[in-house]
Amino acid sequence: DTGVSQDPRHKITKRGQNVTFRCDPISEHNRLYWYRQTLGQGPEFLTYFQNEAQLEKSRLLSDRFSAERPKGSFSTLEIQRTEQGDSAMYLCASSSSPGVHEQYFGPGTRLTVT
Amino acid sequence: GQQLNQSPQSMFIQEGEDVSMNCTSSSIFNTWLWYKQDPGEGPVLLIALYKAGELTSNGRLTAQFGITRKDSFLNISASIPSDVGIYFCAGPSGYGNNRLAFGKGNQVVVIP
Repeated sequence: DTGVSQDPRHKITKRGQNVTFRCDPISEHNRLYWYRQTLGQGPEFLTYFQNEAQLEKSRLLSDRFSAERPKGSFSTLEIQRTEQGDSAMYLCASSSSPGVHEQYFGPGTRLTVT
Repeated sequence: GQQLNQSPQSMFIQEGEDVSMNCTSSSIFNTWLWYKQDPGEGPVLLIALYKAGELTSNGRLTAQFGITRKDSFLNISASIPSDVGIYFCAGPSGYGNNRLAFGKGNQVVVIP
């Protein structure tokens, strides 16, 4: 399967702990996106990378959130000092090039903060 | 930011029936995308539309890019149980149109 993969699929953590999620995009895609989705809502944009450069960040991405894509391949999203409001599905997507709006999503990581 | 409105929020249909849903925007889009999401999974891209007035099919799915460029429609014909899920419309948004803005989704329930 050469689609977008995410790990872990589920994460339960206690408030105040740090968590890190990984995303592996479709191999030939140079754009990678992170979204967050809460119950009853559509995905909301967090940030995106073109190759290793982080080009845009949403205001939803507080100082406790950081994303990296060091070699322009996989990406990590870290949340420090988690809060209950961080509980959500975190989705990763990739697309092939600028100007191509079709984004392909991974299965997501479901985060529950207790 | 651009807001996408989807209605109705939930639809209950008999197996074999057709179902239509629409998506409207407060501003013009140059691309419309339709996704389907199953519980606990990520959205799966169904159809992409790039031209006003464009009508595109993918199996039993047909989507149209509205002439005003502020709306799009998705039709599912002869529904089957596996059509159950949440259908989202999306379009490029933000500075440079690099992010996708999504509607809140239409939940489709197929009654056997």
